[in-house]
Amino acid sequence: AQKVTQAQTEISVVEKEDVTLDCVYETRDTTYYLFWYKQPPSGELVFLIRRNSFDEQNEISGRYSWNFQKSTSSFNFTITASQVVDSAVYFCALSGVYRGGGADGLTFGKGTHLIIQP
Amino acid sequence: DTEVTQTPKHLVMGMTNKKSLKCEQHMGHRAMYWYKQKAKKPPELMFVYSYEKLSINESVPSRFSPECPNSSLLNLHLHALQPEDSALYLCASSQVSGLRGDTQYFGPGTRLTVL
Repeated sequence: AQKVTQAQTEISVVEKEDVTLDCVYETRDTTYYLFWYKQPPSGELVFLIRRNSFDEQNEISGRYSWNFQKSTSSFNFTITASQVVDSAVYFCALSGVYRGGGADGLTFGKGTHLIIQP
Repeated sequence: DTEVTQTPKHLVMGMTNKKSLKCEQHMGHRAMYWYKQKAKKPPELMFVYSYEKLSINESVPSRFSPECPNSSLLNLHLHALQPEDSALYLCASSQVSGLRGDTQYFGPGTRLTVL
């Protein structure tokens, strides 16, 4: 069975602080993909990053960085120098178990509600 | 352009009404998805269309009826819904590379209220 755990339900920090959102996953697949999405109050899920299971290099995109560690089945997301506009719910997701077709849904974690206070 | 559009943005309907949600993408994607998201919960997969054919139905009640008229459009027909069906309905699309990990791009969703 597949599972994504985001243990932090809500995090509140003051603007300009760094913050890390944790994601731990479980899968029996040897090839899989991990994702992070941002959901602001408007509701749209905004794609942030996709990482495959063979690429453990950390990635940095501006103030965002991701740390993928297969040894601990974790794919953590850090925002440096947080801003009020970063306030949103962030979801970590795992690609679907193979069911014979070419496309499948994502397995989402429960999400972390990030509040950045001015 | 990674835009998926959904109409309407908001919908209020009675339990005896029939309505439809629409989704459109022009990215050339051949997979389209419907997800349901209740408040403070993650999205839950409802249906997957691959090359305009229904490939996954996650045991969704028959009062929800999906339709994929062509590769750019996806509809969700609603009939005899219950108040507990009130939720945000999200549409997504992706390529179909066979890798199962294609990035899904989501629309802004339709907020449905069933009275």
